[in-house]
Amino acid sequence: DGGITQSPKYLFRKEGQNVTLSCEQNLNHDAMYWYRQDPGQGLRLIYYSQIVNDFQKGDIAEGYSVSREKKESFPLTVTSAQKNPTAFYLCASSSNREMRGYTFGSGTRLTVV
Amino acid sequence: GDSVTQMEGPVTLSEEAFLTINCTYTATGYPSLFWYVQYPGEGLQLLLKATKADDKGSNKGFEATYRKETTSFHLEKGSVQVSDSAVYFCALSDRFAGNQFYFGTGTSLTVIP
Repeated sequence: DGGITQSPKYLFRKEGQNVTLSCEQNLNHDAMYWYRQDPGQGLRLIYYSQIVNDFQKGDIAEGYSVSREKKESFPLTVTSAQKNPTAFYLCASSSNREMRGYTFGSGTRLTVV
Repeated sequence: GDSVTQMEGPVTLSEEAFLTINCTYTATGYPSLFWYVQYPGEGLQLLLKATKADDKGSNKGFEATYRKETTSFHLEKGSVQVSDSAVYFCALSDRFAGNQFYFGTGTSLTVIP
């Protein structure tokens, strides 16, 4: 079955560390997205990519970086510049050809310790 | 710009009660409309969608009708169950805005036995 996989499910980061969250999809979707969700809050867009080797900043890109070297993969790095990284991170993908909506991964919960 | 306004929660209902969660939208083009559901600790799952005016999306007893005249896409269910307890997100995607999604802030629903 096709789907989108995020790993790890739980991640702990020490102050000053960079960490990378993985997102892989086998849906042959062109576009991929990263969202941040804080407790009781909605979704905020961090970065998105419509095609390989290209990506754009979302609403809260500061302190984050991404790459899109392969169509299937869109890793997110939370850098030490992100002062409040504790949150639930969601990756999503969509087709540019069909309006079927986003497919979401199951999320990564990042906690600073 | 495009946006989605969603009824604020939290909403608490008794089992078998009728559910309505209001959603209105603003869009420059001809958006597709979606409802997503998020169970605790998980990603978002597509619940239903409608791609043009007067379309009705339905799934698992939930329904929503795309009303262009009132720019609304209210979610309804005739008889809720405890298992429906989750957070519900209304969203739109507008082809004239690059297919990017705009999410509402989410409405938390708790169904008590």
